[in-house]
Amino acid sequence: AQSVTQLDSQVPVFEEAPVELRCNYSSSVSVYLFWYVQYPNQGLQLLLKYLSGSTLVESINGFEAEFNKSQTSFHLRKPSVHISDTAEYFCAVSDIGDDKIIFGKGTRLHILP
Amino acid sequence: GAVVSQHPSWVICKSGTSVKIECRSLDFQATTMFWYRQFPKQSLMLMATSNEGSKATYEQGVEKDKFLINHASLTLSTLTVTSAHPEDSSFYICSASDAYTQYFGPGTRLTVL
Repeated sequence: AQSVTQLDSQVPVFEEAPVELRCNYSSSVSVYLFWYVQYPNQGLQLLLKYLSGSTLVESINGFEAEFNKSQTSFHLRKPSVHISDTAEYFCAVSDIGDDKIIFGKGTRLHILP
Repeated sequence: GAVVSQHPSWVICKSGTSVKIECRSLDFQATTMFWYRQFPKQSLMLMATSNEGSKATYEQGVEKDKFLINHASLTLSTLTVTSAHPEDSSFYICSASDAYTQYFGPGTRLTVL
C-alpha cells in the first residue's frame, strides 16, 4: 500500500446521532484493512478488520465498515454514537503478505452532549 | 486473546542516560514485532521492525545505534533508547503481529529531562 487518507481530522457529532469516518487508500496490490481506536494516553485497540470474505465487517460495540474495492475506501460508520466513543480513530492498510501497515493521520471523533 | 503489554507505562530520566522498554505478547507468539513513535496529536511513525532471532530493520531516518532493538524470544522485544536527550521524549508504542493483524501495547511515555 502506498498511502492512506483520512480526509477529516476532526468530526464533531451529537450524541445518539449517526457518524461516518472516511478512509481511502491507494495500493497496486490487494490489501488488508483495519480500523484502530485510541483513547487518550493509551495504545491502539483493534476495532475491526477486513481480511477476506464479506466486505461488511462489524465490531462488538456497534461500529461497522465496508470495503469498497472500486472506490478504494473503507469508511467507518455507527448509527448512534455514545459519549464513550470519543477517541482518535486510525484507518490502516497492509499489502497482503506484508506485515507492515500504513496508518492514516487519524480522525478525532468529538461527541457533543 | 491477542494481548500485548508494555513496561514501563511511563518513565522519566535524565539526559544522557539509557532507558529500556519491554514489549510482550502475552497469549500468542509473535515472530514479528514493531516499534512506533507517536508525537502529540499525530499518527504513529514506524521506527523499526523486529524479527525474532535476527537484526531489526530500521526505517529511514531512525538511528539504529540510538534505538537498540532486541527480539530475544517469540514473546519479548525490547527497545533501548541510548544516551537519551529531551528531543527523544515521546510516546513509544509496540505491536505484535498475529495472523496478518497487529495488536498494540498500551504505550510508554518517555520524558527526558
